[in-house]
Amino acid sequence: KAGVTQTPRYLIKTRGQQVTLSCSPISGHRSVSWYQQTPGQGLQFLFEYFSETQRNKGNFPGRFSGRQFSNSRSEMNVSTLELGDSALYLCASSLVGGTIYEQYFGPGTRLTVT
Amino acid sequence: DAKTTQPPSMDCAEGRAANLPCNHSTISGNEYVYWYRQIHSQGPQYIIHGLKNNETNEMASLIITEDRKSSTLILPHATLRDTAVYYCIVNAGNNRKLIWGLGTSLAVNP
Repeated sequence: KAGVTQTPRYLIKTRGQQVTLSCSPISGHRSVSWYQQTPGQGLQFLFEYFSETQRNKGNFPGRFSGRQFSNSRSEMNVSTLELGDSALYLCASSLVGGTIYEQYFGPGTRLTVT
Repeated sequence: DAKTTQPPSMDCAEGRAANLPCNHSTISGNEYVYWYRQIHSQGPQYIIHGLKNNETNEMASLIITEDRKSSTLILPHATLRDTAVYYCIVNAGNNRKLIWGLGTSLAVNP
């Protein structure tokens, strides 16, 4: 079974621009979560999607948004990029329903804002 | 969710057991203990989880104290490939938002 894939793997953007990151979950997984990882803050939860609906949201400004498609693929968008948005963005997929047994993470997208 | 406390770094000799501690003194009765690890430049990888009883799988063993206020992840025979950051997380089964700390950076030395 193929793992979680994220594209692109690396991205360089300029302040003020916007960016869209993509995540394809493991086949059969319908829940997709997004995390931001920075050296000082560790992994911080952004949001989770299931059935094309945002189910949980972390404490990030409205510049961070996401969506999920009917095939469970998900995208996240960051508008008006700031230098502090430079981070590794991780996507994780899991089965839906009941206890979280395990989340499977993708390799991440490394975003650098200059 | 309950917070966890882990030492920022640890060293272990190759072939020896690595014992990674985690304190979760405010854990609730319905919260599980999860362990993940992150090898450099990769996404986190699930290792093991438990509620009350000790657990073992092909990767590691999880020892949870009787009062559930702390736990230890044991890698029985550490290899160089086990060098990674290890995260201990507590989470209720119906809460799908995991809260991560900074983890323990484990260095396995030859």
